[in-house]
Amino acid sequence: GEDVEQSLFLSVREGDSSVINCTYTDSSSTYLYWYKQEPGAGLQLLTYIFSNMDMKQDQRLTVLLNKKDKHLSLRIADTQTGDSAIYFCAEREGGGADGLTFGKGTHLIIQP
Amino acid sequence: DTGVSQDPRHKITKRGQNVTFRCDPISEHNRLYWYRQTLGQGPEFLTYFQNEAQLEKSRLLSDRFSAERPKGSFSTLEIQRTEQGDSAMYLCASSWSIEADTQYFGPGTRLTVL
Repeated sequence: GEDVEQSLFLSVREGDSSVINCTYTDSSSTYLYWYKQEPGAGLQLLTYIFSNMDMKQDQRLTVLLNKKDKHLSLRIADTQTGDSAIYFCAEREGGGADGLTFGKGTHLIIQP
Repeated sequence: DTGVSQDPRHKITKRGQNVTFRCDPISEHNRLYWYRQTLGQGPEFLTYFQNEAQLEKSRLLSDRFSAERPKGSFSTLEIQRTEQGDSAMYLCASSWSIEADTQYFGPGTRLTVL
């Protein structure tokens, strides 16, 4: 079955860039997504990338996809205290199954 | 347009009781999903509807769980004979089934089974 792996914690200084990494196993993944979850809240869609793309940029967010290595990353430029949250990587597999498969999430901790 | 809403936000129940949760999707979204999230985990897919048809069920959806979307708008998720292991956040999401099928999540219903 499919699996999505993420590091559990990342600590960065305010103003630095954060890079959150994710690996997945399903080679038929069509779309990959990044969601943000703040304490006690639902998930906020940040961005997504189609599997035939290498990179997507959206303001402070840059998504990189290495399909050969099944590796996805989310870079947040100029990290602010408001970026402190749990970030989830998710994949949508091909073949008609439309439920997303999520990683366990990466806690992003911002140091002043 | 408002986002996805869920009701109630919190539910405390005793083991063995039945509970029902409601989800109102973003208007005109034809797909509606239910997920379960436990502490320290990512959301796990339970089931989804396209309009009123339930098209996929996860093996996590035991016989005690039932979901409906009778008119293709709001949906309900019922858990019968609740168990302590059912304690979790139940998340609903909706999407419009084109291209990336981006799913927008509601705030969730936190269920505590005593």
